[in-house]
Amino acid sequence: KAGVTQTPRYLIKTRGQQVTLSCSPISGHRSVSWYQQTPGQGLQFLFEYFSETQRNKGNFPGRFSGRQFSNSRSEMNVSTLELGDSALYLCASSLAPNYEQYFGPGTRLTVT
Amino acid sequence: TQLLEQSPQFLSIQEGENLTVYCNSSSVFSSLQWYRQEPGEGPVLLVTVVTGGEVKKLKRLTFQFGDARKDSSLHITAAQPGDTGLYLCAGDGTGGFKTIFGAGTRLFVKA
Repeated sequence: KAGVTQTPRYLIKTRGQQVTLSCSPISGHRSVSWYQQTPGQGLQFLFEYFSETQRNKGNFPGRFSGRQFSNSRSEMNVSTLELGDSALYLCASSLAPNYEQYFGPGTRLTVT
Repeated sequence: TQLLEQSPQFLSIQEGENLTVYCNSSSVFSSLQWYRQEPGEGPVLLVTVVTGGEVKKLKRLTFQFGDARKDSSLHITAAQPGDTGLYLCAGDGTGGFKTIFGAGTRLFVKA
């Protein structure tokens, strides 16, 4: 069974631009969560989607948003990029909320 | 605010040595997970512990969940270079499903 896939793997953007990251969960998994990982803050929860609905949201500004499609694929968007948004963005899928999560390889975003 | 504190932050040992890393909190967790993450990759789930006092073994790795479900430990016997990586503990927070991660223990095993 294929694992979680994330595209693109690497991305370089300029301050002020926006970016969209994509995540395809494991087949049959309906819950997708997004995390930001930085050397200083570690892994921080961004948001969780289940059945196209956002169930939980972490403590991030409104510039960070996401959505989930009917096929469980998810996207997250960051608008008006700041230098501090440079990070590894990880997507994790699970059968449903509160089930074990399986992570994708991440998207490395660099903001210059 | 729920926090998971991991110690040590960094560990460099020789192949064949034993080691223990810790994950502590003042809060009770319904379950804790341990992950290993290698550079440039996402975390890989190693184990989930659910019951207080539970011990789980995965080859040379032994995981223990504290009786009060506030802490956990990971013991590696006869470490190998392939064990090198960032070990993360994680727990389900309150207020709905929201996973909290510790800062991690970076392990380097020298051949």
